[in-house]
Amino acid sequence: NAGVTQTPKFQVLKTGQSMTLQCAQDMNHEYMSWYRQDPGMGLRLIHYSVGAGITDQGEVPNGYNVSRSTTEDFPLRLLSAAPSQTSVYFCASRPTGGGYNEQFFGPGTRLTVL
Amino acid sequence: AQKVTQAQTEISVVEKEDVTLDCVYETRDTTYYLFWYKQPPSGELVFLIRRNSFDEQNEISGRYSWNFQKSTSSFNFTITASQVVDSAVYFCALSEAQAGTALIFGKGTTLSVSS
Repeated sequence: NAGVTQTPKFQVLKTGQSMTLQCAQDMNHEYMSWYRQDPGMGLRLIHYSVGAGITDQGEVPNGYNVSRSTTEDFPLRLLSAAPSQTSVYFCASRPTGGGYNEQFFGPGTRLTVL
Repeated sequence: AQKVTQAQTEISVVEKEDVTLDCVYETRDTTYYLFWYKQPPSGELVFLIRRNSFDEQNEISGRYSWNFQKSTSSFNFTITASQVVDSAVYFCALSEAQAGTALIFGKGTTLSVSS
């Protein structure tokens, strides 16, 4: 089991560029989510998905798009990167069901937007 | 609405001291779950404990202990005889019961343990 994997680990973008952060899990988890971590702000939820074909917005969704075509993959797209999106991004997954289940986190992607 | 408050931004202790990290939460649900995660300097998030709202028993795991008090909406974490390896950012988080509910984090407490 690889768990939750994220690529790339590091990325530098210029303002206005687009890119996709990849997230995959091999645990057959229905629920997947994306967080961003900024100094002093904790982890804030960007988008989440309760299953293939179903996504919803979290606390800070602006500037990001997601889709969920398979159970395994949950990519996060930055359409036009801005310096405010400089952050560490974590993908997470958990089994089907409510909030009881532990979330498993990927190793994170450190993104810098110049 | 859910909210988690970790009022201590940074704590510095010397090895072997005991330290308590505070966590206060808000929720309207009667069924909810509380978590603690550790983020060492390497950056990964490590799950430490989960507690459900119906179980107020304190839990001890080695040098770690957790005190859950519904009356004060608190879920505090104590490290006994701290060690340098305990240096990390610690996050408290809250999740409600229904399917699809999000995990809401506090802003974290940075613990520095010096030798």
